Amino acid sequence: ETGVTQTPRHLVMGMTNKKSLKCEQHLGHNAMYWYKQSAKKPLELMFVYNFKEQTENNSVPSRFSPECPNSSHLFLHLHTLQPEDSALYLCASSQEQGSNTEAFFGQGTRLTVV
Amino acid sequence: QKEVEQDPGPLSVPEGAIVSLNCTYSNSAFQYFMWYRQYSRKGPELLMYTYSSGNKEDGRFTAQVDKSSKYISLFIRDSQPSDSATYLCAMKKAGNQFYFGTGTSLTVIP
Repeated sequence: ETGVTQTPRHLVMGMTNKKSLKCEQHLGHNAMYWYKQSAKKPLELMFVYNFKEQTENNSVPSRFSPECPNSSHLFLHLHTLQPEDSALYLCASSQEQGSNTEAFFGQGTRLTVV
Repeated sequence: QKEVEQDPGPLSVPEGAIVSLNCTYSNSAFQYFMWYRQYSRKGPELLMYTYSSGNKEDGRFTAQVDKSSKYISLFIRDSQPSDSATYLCAMKKAGNQFYFGTGTSLTVIP
């Protein structure tokens, strides 16, 4: 248990569905991230939130819509996805200030788009 | 040129061997260096975290950072089958953008 919890762990959705991924961190961090992990590729940063404000949107298609209602919760809303969006979606958090700025990850949501 | 380069392997070693995993990077502004272990179908787990140059040891694991060469290493002593996983290096400068390697797949054979 790393202090970052993601739900659901697995999700299968059709291309016309709408679903949401949820992330909650219990570490008191002020930055939260969404990453996409595909086979044989480095982690791809999607979004960064710092103190609930989005500070990074890494040219992510609009079919992915993040929401950060507070410093502890992060959502990724999905709609009209494509099969190539199938991947492991990872949430992470970190403390921006101070000497301990390493990121802690959740277990990920394995997404399959059919 | 990629910000972080990491040999994807796969790397296969016998149980008890010393494993050396490496990453190189191009940005001299990186100050924080991390190693993560990722088991299949799980999220990355932080193994080692180092600020600036030098060595850090934790049990069977040693992390080394050589900023002059832009090179970081993770050594695993007395490797065990349970060490079989993908190892990701990561680094960052001031701010909250992390740069990850592609990961090295390691198998320790009993």
